[in-house]
Amino acid sequence: AQSVAQPEDQVNVAEGNPLTVKCTYSVSGNPYLFWYVQYPNRGLQFLLKYITGDNLVKGSYGFEAEFNKSQTSFHLKKPSALVSDSALYFCAVRDESGGYQKVTFGTGTKLQVIP
Amino acid sequence: DAGVIQSPRHEVTEMGQEVTLRCKPISGHDYLFWYRQTMMRGLELLIYFNNNVPIDDSGMPEDRFSAKMPNASFSTLKIQPSEPRDSAVYFCASSLLGAMETQYFGPGTRLLVL
Repeated sequence: AQSVAQPEDQVNVAEGNPLTVKCTYSVSGNPYLFWYVQYPNRGLQFLLKYITGDNLVKGSYGFEAEFNKSQTSFHLKKPSALVSDSALYFCAVRDESGGYQKVTFGTGTKLQVIP
Repeated sequence: DAGVIQSPRHEVTEMGQEVTLRCKPISGHDYLFWYRQTMMRGLELLIYFNNNVPIDDSGMPEDRFSAKMPNASFSTLKIQPSEPRDSAVYFCASSLLGAMETQYFGPGTRLLVL
């Protein structure tokens, strides 16, 4: 079975500082990994994904994520946080070897960027 | 493209009433997903369709929940009878080729069952 863990319910960072939102996963085959962001009263929006290739994936709004197979991690990063980055962030995974098309989402991490 | 469209955006109903949530996916997308989001359980996949056919409904909590997709541009999620514990935000999402591809989420329907 596939699973994903976001160990931090909330991350606080000062504006202008680098941010990291953590994600670890568990799959039996090769993973497809995603990050989504949810602003208040909105649906989830896609940020970036890793399917194969370079371990460093660049996405929307200056976000990037690093795939680390040995640590089974896919942490989301941004060099300089903006107040407008404050939102709920979801990591998601799908097992390549799975027969199903469904993606498993993490519980979400609330990012608070402090002015 | 208008994106995924859901209606209504808000629904308040009384326990025991039937509730129908509606979704229009992005044109050309082959997959449609229904999710439920609550504080306690996070984001849960309820059911998904491929080319209008239900593929996996293992996330549907009870027989009170049913979903249909009569054509490529419309899906419904029905709760009958509704209960207070069904209160949640229900999202519809669609994607072009399934789980490898980006899922595009609608704005959600916020359901409150009194």
